[in-house]
Amino acid sequence: EAGVVQSPRYKIIEKKQPVAFWCNPISGHNTLYWYLQNLGQGPELLIRYENEEAVDDSQLPKDRFSAERLKGVDSTLKIQPAELGDSAVYLCASSGQGSADTQYFGPGTRLTVL
Amino acid sequence: AQSVTQPDIHITVSEGASLELRCNYSYGATPYLFWYVQSPGQGLQLLLKYFSGDTLVQGIKGFEAEFKRSQSSFNLRKPSVHWSDAAEYFCAADNYGQNFVFGPGTRLSVLP
Repeated sequence: EAGVVQSPRYKIIEKKQPVAFWCNPISGHNTLYWYLQNLGQGPELLIRYENEEAVDDSQLPKDRFSAERLKGVDSTLKIQPAELGDSAVYLCASSGQGSADTQYFGPGTRLTVL
Repeated sequence: AQSVTQPDIHITVSEGASLELRCNYSYGATPYLFWYVQSPGQGLQLLLKYFSGDTLVQGIKGFEAEFKRSQSSFNLRKPSVHWSDAAEYFCAADNYGQNFVFGPGTRLSVLP
């Protein structure tokens, strides 16, 4: 069974440019998460989806970040415009149903903003 | 505010020695509790989780954790560490589907 797939694995952009990350969860998983992980720190939840509904986006900086999961399967996280402080690893995870189920993490996308 | 703390930023142990990684949480009620491991270049992997019941939880790779309500702690233990256990370990808590929070992590180094 394929795990959580994320692309790209690495992205280098200049500040003020837009960037998008894509995530395909494990087949059948209803819950999808996006996390941000800064170097030397734990992941921080950005947004959680139950199917296509964003049920927790309280930590998503909505002035520049947006996310969608239109068909309740794969998801896209966008930053526009990117700032230097956005350099981090962006992790996607999925679970069967809710956070009580085990979350399976993808390899992440490492973003560098110059 | 709900939070998870891991007091030790970095721990070094010798191979074969025992290990205990500390985790404390601050939540209004006992949350779900988790331990994850992140090896270099690899994704986060769940070691074990606690929801209720028996306070000693067994996980993968020979790890166990003990929940202590009186101390708001969920410490991770392993009786004999292997060199392959060197990694970053994260404690996490979830308030029944709300506010999933990771701790800052503890980096484990293993001496041969």
